[in-house]
Amino acid sequence: EDQVTQSPEALRLQEGESSSLNCSYTVSGLRGLFWYRQDPGKGPEFLFTLYSAGEEKEKERLKATLTKKESFLHITAPKPEDSATYLCAPLNTDKLIFGTGTRLQVFP
Amino acid sequence: EPEVTQTPSHQVTQMGQEVILRCVPISNHLYFYWYRQILGQKVEFLVSFYNNEISEKSEIFDDQFSVERPDGSNFTLKIRSTKLEDSAMYFCASSVLVEFTGELFFGEGSRLTVL
Repeated sequence: EDQVTQSPEALRLQEGESSSLNCSYTVSGLRGLFWYRQDPGKGPEFLFTLYSAGEEKEKERLKATLTKKESFLHITAPKPEDSATYLCAPLNTDKLIFGTGTRLQVFP
Repeated sequence: EPEVTQTPSHQVTQMGQEVILRCVPISNHLYFYWYRQILGQKVEFLVSFYNNEISEKSEIFDDQFSVERPDGSNFTLKIRSTKLEDSAMYFCASSVLVEFTGELFFGEGSRLTVL
């Protein structure tokens, strides 16, 4: 059975305090891994796609990396506007399998 | 910037009533999806739709659910006889081709409350 686990469930950071979010997965027929950001009451907003182990993608203060069983989302010097829930979603055939997310709060 | 639009933003219905949620995907997209998110839980896949037919569906998508693309722009999700447990946020999404563009665009969601 396909499984996606994200940790931690919640993370509180001071502005400028870097950290990493983890996504571990067991998915058959993996075709890629997506990261999304979700603000309260909104739909998921695309951040990155990673296709192969060793791949890295960057966007502003975010960097996503991928291994065979895990993906990490590194947040460098976060700002309060980075506060959101970050969702990891491996792609199996043509559907995304979402994790429960990491709820990030960044305080000034 | 093109976007996926969903209506209504919030619908309240009585148990047993039929509900239709509407979505207008991005115009050049070929793949369409419905996902749902029960409050406080993860986003769950319901169904994918390509070339005017369902390409995959989850166990949640039982006989009470149906999807349709009635014209060239709308994509609808119908729930025939709503249950309390159908209360959730329903997200429509579309993509040109998920694997190669790497982006699935989501709408803002339709919140369904079943009383």
